[in-house]
Amino acid sequence: NAGVTQTPKFQVLKTGQSMTLQCAQDMNHNSMYWYRQDPGMGLRLIYYSASEGTTDKGEVPNGYNVSRLNKREFSLRLESAAPSQTSVYFCASSRAGQGKNYEQYFGPGTRLTVT
Amino acid sequence: QKEVEQDPGPLSVPEGAIVSLNCTYSNSAFQYFMWYRQYSRKGPELLMYTYSSGNKEDGRFTAQVDKSSKYISLFIRDSQPSDSATYLCANSGGSNYKLTFGKGTLLTVNP
Repeated sequence: NAGVTQTPKFQVLKTGQSMTLQCAQDMNHNSMYWYRQDPGMGLRLIYYSASEGTTDKGEVPNGYNVSRLNKREFSLRLESAAPSQTSVYFCASSRAGQGKNYEQYFGPGTRLTVT
Repeated sequence: QKEVEQDPGPLSVPEGAIVSLNCTYSNSAFQYFMWYRQYSRKGPELLMYTYSSGNKEDGRFTAQVDKSSKYISLFIRDSQPSDSATYLCANSGGSNYKLTFGKGTLLTVNP
């Protein structure tokens, strides 16, 4: 099992450009999440999808959109990148809602720099 | 008051030391408690998971939860240089599928 995979690993964008971060999991998890991690700020939830077909805003959703393409895949889109979106982005998945299984499993991250 | 407070460190110990990492939380609804380990430039990796008060042991690692005082701890026995990482605590109330994370404690174990 690959677990949670993310592409790309690194990306540099100019202000105003758009891009989509891809995430896939092969653990048959219902729930998927997008976080950003910044120094001194910890992990902050951007969006999550409790199940296929649903998405909800997290703590810092502004400037982002998401798509739950199917049970395996959850993408994060930056429509018009800003320097404040320079960060490390992590995707995670969980069996939340399937018994007492609330732990999340993380991908390796995407390092994004917006100049 | 933040929902989960964690001392950011950094914490530096000699190899073989017993390490104690701690978090406090304010939300009584939290029922599920996790510790994650994050190596530099890697994703967080689940280390321990418990949903009850008391101790849970896994090798050199022990997670302790005290719901009455809203205090969770991770103990590492016989610490190794390979334990050098950032440790994050995380809690969940279970009803909304989300985790609340502490900001992490940076641990360095010196050979």
